[in-house]
Amino acid sequence: KAGVTQTPRYLIKTRGQQVTLSCSPISGHRSVSWYQQTPGQGLQFLFEYFSETQRNKGNFPGRFSGRQFSNSRSEMNVSTLELGDSALYLCASSLRPAGRGNTIYFGEGSWLTVV
Amino acid sequence: QQQVKQSPQSLIVQKGGISIINCAYENTAFDYFPWYQQFPGKGPALLIAIRPDVSEKKEGRFTISFNKSAKQFSLHIMDSQPGDSATYFCAASITGNQFYFGTGTSLTVIP
Repeated sequence: KAGVTQTPRYLIKTRGQQVTLSCSPISGHRSVSWYQQTPGQGLQFLFEYFSETQRNKGNFPGRFSGRQFSNSRSEMNVSTLELGDSALYLCASSLRPAGRGNTIYFGEGSWLTVV
Repeated sequence: QQQVKQSPQSLIVQKGGISIINCAYENTAFDYFPWYQQFPGKGPALLIAIRPDVSEKKEGRFTISFNKSAKQFSLHIMDSQPGDSATYFCAASITGNQFYFGTGTSLTVIP
């Protein structure tokens, strides 16, 4: 069974540009969550989607947005990139919405560097 | 505000020793406490998890100890091996809600 697939794995963008990251969840998983990982802050929750609906949103500015498609694939977009957006962006999928006993499985992430 | 506080930030242990990582939380509504292991270049992977109605859970060399009254939980790695060298994250969640992660502990096991 294929795991969570994220593309691209590595990318470099310039300040002010925008970026779109893609995530394909494990087959059959309908929930997709996104996290930002940085050395100082650890894993910070961005948002969660279930059946194309955003269920939860973390404390990030509106420049960070996402969506989920009918096949459960998800994309996240960051507009007007800032240097501080440089991070590893992780996607995680699960059968049901996040919570008790419901394991989330992470992809290997997309490394974003903003210069 | 960090919902889950993790310590230490880094840990060096001799092969065969016990590695202990601690986490503390404030929100008593949390009802699920997983630990994740992350190797360089990889995403975090679930290692072991516990619910608050259980005080201890053991899976092989990995044990979670949970103290509900103190709002603390810890990961113990017995007989630590060089292959255990990784970053470990504790987390907490409320059913139907997001996961909150600790800031991570970088474990190095010296042969």
